[in-house]
Amino acid sequence: DIVMTQGALPNPVPSGESASITCQSSKSLLHSNGKTYLNWYLQRPGQSPQLLIYWMSTRASGVSDRFSGSGSGTDFTLKISSVEAEDVGVYYCQQFLEYPRTFGGGTKLELK
Amino acid sequence: EVQLQQSGAELGKPGTSVKLSCKVSGYNIRNTYMHWVNQRPGKGLEWIGRIDPANGNTIYAEKFKSKATLTADTSSNTAYMQLSQLKSDDTAIYFCALHNVMDAWGQGASVTVSS
Repeated sequence: DIVMTQGALPNPVPSGESASITCQSSKSLLHSNGKTYLNWYLQRPGQSPQLLIYWMSTRASGVSDRFSGSGSGTDFTLKISSVEAEDVGVYYCQQFLEYPRTFGGGTKLELK
Repeated sequence: EVQLQQSGAELGKPGTSVKLSCKVSGYNIRNTYMHWVNQRPGKGLEWIGRIDPANGNTIYAEKFKSKATLTADTSSNTAYMQLSQLKSDDTAIYFCALHNVMDAWGQGASVTVSS
């Protein structure tokens, strides 16, 4: 199975500052078709997860352009510019290159 | 707008089974995959498996192969997951999620296993 490892945030993050969340995969998620099979989700407290980014860097419909995804085949970053109260929650990366789909352990964002 | 409506909370005794449902509106489930994910209390997300409702083909995570059974009824646009031989560590919230990129999620269904 592909192991996804997420980094922690230096919480709490001051409102208006930027935050970067890292994720590393045990296998390259870059497919021969040129696409990288990495998603980012946000789970706000008490809610279902919400897709933020797919194909490593494509924002999902309705997602603020304050969110951006980048990376290589095995190292990925989700950047949140100008953190707001609605960004509080747990962020998960997930690979969808292979089965079983696997998630990172989650990164909690708290606001100062 | 695509919406996934899951069935309500379940309380099951150890050794019994429960069957959860996930009814989709706004999209024909024949045209996509349905995934199931769980979240144990205070823990992260764990992928259980997925079904292709068009033909019933399923793929499961190894640890759920004898625990979960995924089915779908295309006539009612509804997916189901049965959890068998319930144990205390099956206590969790179970989510259904649509498409390969899981861009639409149900609200979650709580399963509590207790005697």
